[in-house]
Amino acid sequence: GQNIDQPTEMTATEGAIVQINCTYQTSGFNGLFWYQQHAGEAPTFLSYNVLDGLEEKGRFSSFLSRSKGYSYLLLKELQMKDSASYLCAVRDRKAAGNKLTFGGGTRVLVKP
Amino acid sequence: DAGVTQSPTHLIKTRGQQVTLRCSPKSGHDTVSWYQQALGQGPQFIFQYYEEEERQRGNFPDRFSGHQFPNYSSELNVNALLLGDSALYLCASSPGGGAEAFFGQGTRLTVV
Repeated sequence: GQNIDQPTEMTATEGAIVQINCTYQTSGFNGLFWYQQHAGEAPTFLSYNVLDGLEEKGRFSSFLSRSKGYSYLLLKELQMKDSASYLCAVRDRKAAGNKLTFGGGTRVLVKP
Repeated sequence: DAGVTQSPTHLIKTRGQQVTLRCSPKSGHDTVSWYQQALGQGPQFIFQYYEEEERQRGNFPDRFSGHQFPNYSSELNVNALLLGDSALYLCASSPGGGAEAFFGQGTRLTVV
């Protein structure tokens, strides 16, 4: 099976940087995804890592270490609109198609 | 290009009733997955359809069933509704073998 852990909640100040950690245990690994979800809305894709290292996309970056079963999402220059839940999800190598196993989500609150 | 569309957006049902939720995938996507998201938690995988067949299934009872049509749209059926079935039901589509899953807005089901 798979087990994914991420902090429940984080608070940061507008303009600052926040790092959301995600650790996972899986019987087979075939990619890690980060999604953003505003309250009452659909999750929207942020990033995808399948190889070790850092993927940068504007203000958002995601890092993966497969040997450590660890990823983080880095949000820079925080804006009020970044207040949302951030979901870490892992795809299992044994899974055909696109079955994702999600963590519980990290609710980020950005304060002025 | 319309993204993933789900209907209805909200639904209230009585315990013991049956419900059908609908999903139209993003254009060009042939794989549809369904997820259940309880309040404050991450989405949980229910099942995935590809080529009109259930390709994978999560840890959900047989009361949860589905169907995929030749145009790739899909339905999720839940029989004998329980109070605990109250949740946001998300549909996600992806191209066959594609990495990224696109989510619909979800159907908020309340069982009373």
